[in-house]
Amino acid sequence: KQEVTQIPAALSVPEGENLVLNCSFTDSAIYNLQWFRQDPGKGLTSLLLIQSSQREQTSGRLNASLDKSSGRSTLYIAASQPGDSATYLCAVRRIIQGAQKLVFGQGTRLTINP
Amino acid sequence: DTEVTQTPKHLVMGMTNKKSLKCEQHMGHRAMYWYKQKAKKPPELMFVYSYEKLSINESVPSRFSPECPNSSLLNLHLHALQPEDSALYLCASSQGPGRSYNEQFFGPGTRLTVL
Repeated sequence: KQEVTQIPAALSVPEGENLVLNCSFTDSAIYNLQWFRQDPGKGLTSLLLIQSSQREQTSGRLNASLDKSSGRSTLYIAASQPGDSATYLCAVRRIIQGAQKLVFGQGTRLTINP
Repeated sequence: DTEVTQTPKHLVMGMTNKKSLKCEQHMGHRAMYWYKQKAKKPPELMFVYSYEKLSINESVPSRFSPECPNSSLLNLHLHALQPEDSALYLCASSQGPGRSYNEQFFGPGTRLTVL
C-alpha cells in the first residue's frame, strides 16, 4: 500500500527566506508526483507536476525535485513571501483499474511572517 | 477555459434531506473525480468517472450516489447523510484516465454541513 509522508507538518519562517518542503513515498512504482497548494477552506491549486522519468521541474520561485529510487521529492521555495502562506500537499499518481488515483501526503502548513 | 466549477459553495442539510452537488468543466476532459476532505486532512478519493462510466468507487456508503450525465458534468446526490459526513467536497478533472493524461485540476469545493 502506497504511503506518502510530508515533513515538517508545519513550518513558520520570516519573509525572504528560502525553504524546502519534503515528501516521501513508500512505493517507487509511481507515474508522476504533483505538488499542490491549498488556502484555508479552498480547493487545490496545482503547482508543479514531475513525471517519473524527470528529476526536476521549475516554475517561477518554485523548484520541485524527484528521486524515485529513494522515494523522495522536495519543493524548494525561493525568497518566500507572506502570500506563500498556505498548506502544501504532495500527491503521487498511480494507475488502478485503468484510472488515475492520487495518494496524498498529510500536508505541510506554511506560514511566512512579514 | 481551464476551470472546474462547483455549486453550491456552501450547503447545510438535515439528515432526512436530499440534495445534490454539481461539478462542471469545459476543458474537454474525459475523467472526473469526487474527493472528500475533512478539516486538517488531505483529500480522500471517493469516485472516478472515465468516459462517463464509473471506474472507481472507494467503498463509499450508498447514501452518496454519483452521476455523470455527460462528459462536462458530474453530480453527487446526497440522501440520509450523517453529521460525520460534514466536510469539503472537491471535484477534479483530468484529460483522460490513464497514465498519459496527467494533471488533475480541482474545483473550489462545496462546504457541506449536516445537522
